[in-house]
Amino acid sequence: DSGVTQTPKHLITATGQRVTLRCSPRSGDLSVYWYQQSLDQGLQFLIHYYNGEERAKGNILERFSAQQFPDLHSELNLSSLELGDSALYFCASSVGQGKSYGYTFGSGTRLTVV
Amino acid sequence: GQQVMQIPQYQHVQEGEDFTTYCNSSTTLSNIQWYKQRPGGHPVFLIQLVKSGEVKKQKRLTFQFGEAKKNSSLHITATQTTDVGTYFCAARGAYSGAGSYQLTFGKGTKLSVIP
Repeated sequence: DSGVTQTPKHLITATGQRVTLRCSPRSGDLSVYWYQQSLDQGLQFLIHYYNGEERAKGNILERFSAQQFPDLHSELNLSSLELGDSALYFCASSVGQGKSYGYTFGSGTRLTVV
Repeated sequence: GQQVMQIPQYQHVQEGEDFTTYCNSSTTLSNIQWYKQRPGGHPVFLIQLVKSGEVKKQKRLTFQFGEAKKNSSLHITATQTTDVGTYFCAARGAYSGAGSYQLTFGKGTKLSVIP
């Protein structure tokens, strides 16, 4: 157990639908990062939140959005789902925001869009 | 921000053989991190290298940061079946800026160990 909790572990949904992925960071970590992992693209950075505020955005589609709540858990919302959105979605946490810290990853949510 | 290229993409070794993966950047890196992802698992942080020419060891794993801080390597001596997985290097990403330190990951090297 890494200390980062992601739910659900698996999600199967139809095209056009909307889903919410949830992440609770390790105790004491203020930063949450979301990554998408697919076979051909590796780990792609989506978005970074620090203490409730968005800090950096990567190649995140407009159909995707995220937020970090006062209790520091984060949610990634994926809407108008397409087949190509099928992937593993990881969140990772770290203690800071502006310096280099090792990430602690959650076990991921495997999304399958059918 | 940085882009890091990793080679090889795949490596199959006999148990007991050595293994090395390389990470290269066209620009100078402030530091580099290494992660391991077991099959079906999530990436796990192994180490961070910061200084030019730095060498760090973890049991059979040796991590090096180049003198110019543009490349890094991970070497495993006498591989075991427990070493199976994908090894990623990661460096400060393209979207890092004031108030954010975000990592860009290499594509990884997938290691298979034949018993």
